[in-house]
Amino acid sequence: GAVVSQHPSWVICKSGTSVKIECRSLDFQATTMFWYRQFPKQSLMLMATSNEGSKATYEQGVEKDKFLINHASLTLSTLTVTSAHPEDSSFYICSARMGGDTQYFGPGTRLTVL
Amino acid sequence: GESVGLHLPTLSVQEGDNSIINCAYSNSASDYFIWYKQESGKGPQFIIDIRSNMDKRQGQRVTVLLNKTVKHLSLQIAATQPGDSAVYFCAENIAGGTSYGKLTFGQGTILTVHP
Repeated sequence: GAVVSQHPSWVICKSGTSVKIECRSLDFQATTMFWYRQFPKQSLMLMATSNEGSKATYEQGVEKDKFLINHASLTLSTLTVTSAHPEDSSFYICSARMGGDTQYFGPGTRLTVL
Repeated sequence: GESVGLHLPTLSVQEGDNSIINCAYSNSASDYFIWYKQESGKGPQFIIDIRSNMDKRQGQRVTVLLNKTVKHLSLQIAATQPGDSAVYFCAENIAGGTSYGKLTFGQGTILTVHP
């Protein structure tokens, strides 16, 4: 139980284009979803917290107009990287929480911007 | 400045040895701590957790110790196996307030198990 999926698992795009990443909780309803970014050989950095039906809360330094988050249902959150640039290349990971403290992580999405 | 990420602590052990991975956390208000294992190219995998009202918790082959006095957390892996090779992260969760539910991750430790 408590499986989180992400799609796509990897994506390559041209600079200036937008990319959408989906995060789904497959066998539970997630009250809250979180989006993280991880650069090579570094730790996970929280980007934003997303609650179903409300606006996402972004961490300091994360541009909300660049990283659009939509949490349309209790099982789906999307992260759209708008006008992507090479410095946005990273490993993006989502997690979902049922209501307790435990967060269940997705497998991650590798974004490469050329 | 120098990136902490380029100098992740490393631990090399022989198969069958016990491993101890350490973590110093930052916030004395944190009340919930988790250890995650991350293999290359994958998301973090939950290993074990502990709440601040405990100082020790055991799972299958793993034990977490919490020392709130010095804000230190450790993960002990018994009879380490090659499949345990990965990066291990501790994470802290602050109770209540606007930070409720957010996890702050430590820098990670690379564990390499030699057959």
